[in-house]
Amino acid sequence: TQLLEQSPQFLSIQEGENLTVYCNSSSVFSSLQWYRQEPGEGPVLLVTVVTGGEVKKLKRLTFQFGDARKDSSLHITAAQPGDTGLYLCAGAGGGADGLTFGKGTHLIIQP
Amino acid sequence: GAVVSQHPSRVICKSGTSVKIECRSLDFQATTMFWYRQFPKQSLMLMATSNEGSKATYEQGVEKDKFLINHASLTLSTLTVTSAHPEDSSFYICSASRLSSGNTIYFGEGSWLTVV
Repeated sequence: TQLLEQSPQFLSIQEGENLTVYCNSSSVFSSLQWYRQEPGEGPVLLVTVVTGGEVKKLKRLTFQFGDARKDSSLHITAAQPGDTGLYLCAGAGGGADGLTFGKGTHLIIQP
Repeated sequence: GAVVSQHPSRVICKSGTSVKIECRSLDFQATTMFWYRQFPKQSLMLMATSNEGSKATYEQGVEKDKFLINHASLTLSTLTVTSAHPEDSSFYICSASRLSSGNTIYFGEGSWLTVV
C-alpha cells in the first residue's frame, strides 16, 4: 500500500506570511497532483508535476517535485485570506489506477 | 468550466431507503471513475474504482452490497447507497481520469448525503 505523508495537517498564519506544505512517501509516483478544496465542494486541480526535480509556479504558489519523484512541496508566498482551504497532494502511478492522497493540510490565512 | 459533474449536490433521505448519486464526465470518455467519501476536515477516502462495462473494484472495508456502483457508459457512473443509515451521511465525491490531459484526474463537485 502506498502512503503519502502530508504535513502540516493544520496551519493558521497571518496574511502576508510565507508557508510550505510537504508531501513525502517511500514510493515513487509517476506524477503528483496538488488540489485545493473549499468546504462543500470537490477538489480543484492546481498543478500536476511529472518530472523529477520539476518546479512549477502558479502566481504566488510554487510546486516542486523531488528528484526521486517520492516527495513534493507547495510553497505559498505572501499568503492571502483567499488561500484558505484544504490542500491535498495526490500521487499517481505505482500500479494503481487511482490516486493516493495525503491527509490534507487545512490552511487558514487570517487577515 | 467543470469537466466532471455530480448530481444531486445535496440529498436528504430517510433511513432504510436507497439513494443514487450520478457522476458524469462532460466532454470526455472515462473508462475509469473513482468514488470517494470524505468526512468533515478529513482527506478523501477511496471507496471503489468504477470500470466501464465491468464490476467495480472496492477498497477493503467498503461493503459492495451497500454501495452499488454501476458504470454503464463511458460518461456515466452511479453510486447507489442502499438501505441508508444515518452513519452513511457524508460527502461523496467522484472523479474521472482524462486521457487527453495526461491521465489527469478531475473531480466532481461532490454530493452531500444526509440520512435522517
